[in-house]
Amino acid sequence: NAGVMQNPRHLVRRRGQEARLRCSPMKGHSHVYWYRQLPEEGLKFMVYLQKENIIDESGMPKERFSAEFPKEGPSILRIQQVVRGDSAAYFCASSRGGGAQPQHFGDGTRLSIL
Amino acid sequence: GQQLNQSPQSMFIQEGEDVSMNCTSSSIFNTWLWYKQDPGEGPVLLIALYKAGELTSNGRLTAQFGITRKDSFLNISASIPSDVGIYFCAGYQGGSEKLVFGKGTKLTVNP
Repeated sequence: NAGVMQNPRHLVRRRGQEARLRCSPMKGHSHVYWYRQLPEEGLKFMVYLQKENIIDESGMPKERFSAEFPKEGPSILRIQQVVRGDSAAYFCASSRGGGAQPQHFGDGTRLSIL
Repeated sequence: GQQLNQSPQSMFIQEGEDVSMNCTSSSIFNTWLWYKQDPGEGPVLLIALYKAGELTSNGRLTAQFGITRKDSFLNISASIPSDVGIYFCAGYQGGSEKLVFGKGTKLTVNP
């Protein structure tokens, strides 16, 4: 997993707080994807971004969730007013380009909501 | 949404045995990927398959892209303890940039 950097690795929030998850893609990669994984489940797609653009957000909940990938800096997945059901592992992946190229994953952020 | 059916859910084998697992779908996929995930870590790419019928190896791992484009298989030969983990199949459907994942096969290798 070297290359895709996610932080923090663990994040604890109380209900109603905001959670910010960061992802720096592999060097040379300009495409970023966010996935959510519940225990004993596979990963579920949330959003696909390129620099300064959201390409596909079909997997994102309509409320409270947002993502960005600014020109400078990491991609951010933001969850406002967190609820217990937001507890999960959130993974970021990156690829060199689009067109079904392999995605390489970070080690994830484990979000726990108290 | 689209799901991949992965089987078996779990496997318990002895060190040295060969392992087979598969992934099926009701619709066509253009690319199949196999990942391994260890506890507390992210999925690591093992093998990527791009053409129907393609057979690709990576050390003791061999994967095949089914000719119907609706399934894929992963074989591990001569298993060792470090093969323990969860193996996920994933795929791209035409025109989509998002990976669809199976629920995983949990492999346990007894020394």
